[in-house]
Amino acid sequence: AQTVTQSQPEMSVQEAETVTLSCTYDTSESDYYLFWYKQPPSRQMILVIRQEAYKQQNATENRFSVNFQKAAKSFSLKISDSQLGDAAMYFCAITGTASKLTFGTGTRLQVTL
Amino acid sequence: NAGVMQNPRHLVRRRGQEARLRCSPMKGHSHVYWYRQLPEEGLKFMVYLQKENIIDESGMPKERFSAEFPKEGPSILRIQQVVRGDSAAYFCASSPPIGQGASSKNIQYFGAGTRLSVL
Repeated sequence: AQTVTQSQPEMSVQEAETVTLSCTYDTSESDYYLFWYKQPPSRQMILVIRQEAYKQQNATENRFSVNFQKAAKSFSLKISDSQLGDAAMYFCAITGTASKLTFGTGTRLQVTL
Repeated sequence: NAGVMQNPRHLVRRRGQEARLRCSPMKGHSHVYWYRQLPEEGLKFMVYLQKENIIDESGMPKERFSAEFPKEGPSILRIQQVVRGDSAAYFCASSPPIGQGASSKNIQYFGAGTRLSVL
């Protein structure tokens, strides 16, 4: 079984600042993928960034980057130059050979002026 | 290329009625997943289907819930004799056949969800 833990129920960041959302996971598989999804008030699940476990290089997508620490089973998301539109719930998720996604409980990000 | 389409967006049912939720995957996608999100919680896997086959239903409640993905038409999640505890947002996701595009990268694309309210 795979598990995902997000220990920060809520986070707040000022506009233009940087924030890091934490995620730890557990899996017995050697081949797996990690994701961060964003869920704004519209409830649409939007893929933010993806990381293959076999790749050592941390994934980046514009202002979004991850810090993947495989040995520590940690997968944090860094948002740089935060914008008002970044305000949302952020979910960390993992999938392996079983294809299904296992999600964490989410972190609600507030962006203030 | 239209995304994953779910309908209805909102569904209200009285206790004991049936709820039918529909999901049309992205064009070319043959894998469909259903997830349930209770208020203030993350998404929980329910079932994984390919055309005419249930691949993994380990997250489906044993009674009242069923899912299908016929050769033609959308995938259907059916909940019989709904109870208040079934009130939740139900999300569908799709991915291409194995070895193609996003599937080889394990990417699932989500619909906007159906919010079921049971009175």
